Amino acid sequence: AQKITQTQPGMFVQEKEAVTLDCTYDTSDPSYGLFWYKQPSSGEMIFLIYQGSYDQQNATEGRYSLNFQKARKSANLVISASQLGDSAMYFCAMREPGGKLIFGQGTTLQVKP
Amino acid sequence: NAGVTQTPKFQVLKTGQSMTLQCAQDMNHNSMYWYRQDPGMGLRLIYYSASEGTTDKGEVPNGYNVSRLNKREFSLRLESAAPSQTSVYFCASRGRVLSLSYNEQFFGPGTRLTVL
Repeated sequence: AQKITQTQPGMFVQEKEAVTLDCTYDTSDPSYGLFWYKQPSSGEMIFLIYQGSYDQQNATEGRYSLNFQKARKSANLVISASQLGDSAMYFCAMREPGGKLIFGQGTTLQVKP
Repeated sequence: NAGVTQTPKFQVLKTGQSMTLQCAQDMNHNSMYWYRQDPGMGLRLIYYSASEGTTDKGEVPNGYNVSRLNKREFSLRLESAAPSQTSVYFCASRGRVLSLSYNEQFFGPGTRLTVL
């Protein structure tokens, strides 16, 4: 069965520093997609970044990048130059057939001034 | 475009009451989804609809029914609410942004449901 694991319940980072949020996945399907979402305290789900299993390069979107290590089945999110507004819950998700998403437990990130 | 809209935003029910959560999208997407999020947890799929006229169970379908009324609307019904259904419910639709090579799920703002 497909599974997403986020092992860091909570993380702290100093403002302007970089932080890595871990995500490992398990699937036997050769074609899959990995997503990261941000959920601020207001509750909405905000899409951050996507990595396809066949993508040759690691995905980047502004200050967000994805450290994709296919052999290790990991897809860690790197946030560079952290800002106070980055404080939120972050979810890693994997696309199943039919476009369904399975989510990890999430990591709460707090950015310290 | 409004994207994905959900009504109501908040609801309190008593055990045994029924209600329907409404979801609509204006992006002409074929696929729509209902998830629930319990405190401190990730989202779990309740039901989904790959296209108009079809629905399928997700990971946690017990106690729920769905209706894909048309391409725009996908409703979730609780026939006899239980305290275990206290959660935040998210509706999502899936489609391709023109400039991108993949399909993205767009989420509604969520409905916070409390069952007493």
